[in-house]
Amino acid sequence: KQEVTQIPAALSVPEGENLVLNCSFTDSAIYNLQWFRQDPGKGLTSLLLIQSSQREQTSGRLNASLDKSSGRSTLYIAASQPGDSATYLCAVNRDSGYALNFGKGTSLLVTP
Amino acid sequence: SQTIHQWPATLVQPVGSPLSLECTVEGTSNPNLYWYRQAAGRGLQLLFYSVGIGQISSEVPQNLSASRPQDRQFILSSKKLLLSDSGFYLCAWSPGGSGGTNEKLFFGSGTQLSVL
Repeated sequence: KQEVTQIPAALSVPEGENLVLNCSFTDSAIYNLQWFRQDPGKGLTSLLLIQSSQREQTSGRLNASLDKSSGRSTLYIAASQPGDSATYLCAVNRDSGYALNFGKGTSLLVTP
Repeated sequence: SQTIHQWPATLVQPVGSPLSLECTVEGTSNPNLYWYRQAAGRGLQLLFYSVGIGQISSEVPQNLSASRPQDRQFILSSKKLLLSDSGFYLCAWSPGGSGGTNEKLFFGSGTQLSVL
């Protein structure tokens, strides 16, 4: 069974810092991995999708990397802003099927 | 552009009452549709998915059911709610015809269900 773990569970940083969120998964035979953002009481917004054949994806200040062999992905946020405060979740598509395995998320607070 | 609508935003229901949550997608055809539940302190769990009208797959046994009466409409139902059905329910879609979620997943704004 695929287990997805996100560390840390919560993180507080001052504005302007670069930061890294971690995601690990137990079964390296994944199809793809997505990073999502969730604001309190809201739905999820897809940030980046990395196919299993890719090593990284970038969008603006966000960069996600994937190391399938070690079962890890990182989300790098450059020059953090208070508007980046949210919960960030990673999800693994295990077998090109329809179910994503989600981590429990990292709650990020960026203070002015 | 594509949009997804989910309603209601919040719902408080007594135990044993019925449930109907509705989700519609605009701006695309033949999407894959999903119902997820997010319980407090737990990750998101896929409840149902659908790849076409009338085609429903269940991921976990439960007190809920789903239906897809139209191409872009997905409904989550229950005949009798349990306390354990409380949670945050999210509808989502991904482009159809590509076989699984090898595309991005787009979520609705969610329904907070409290069963009392």
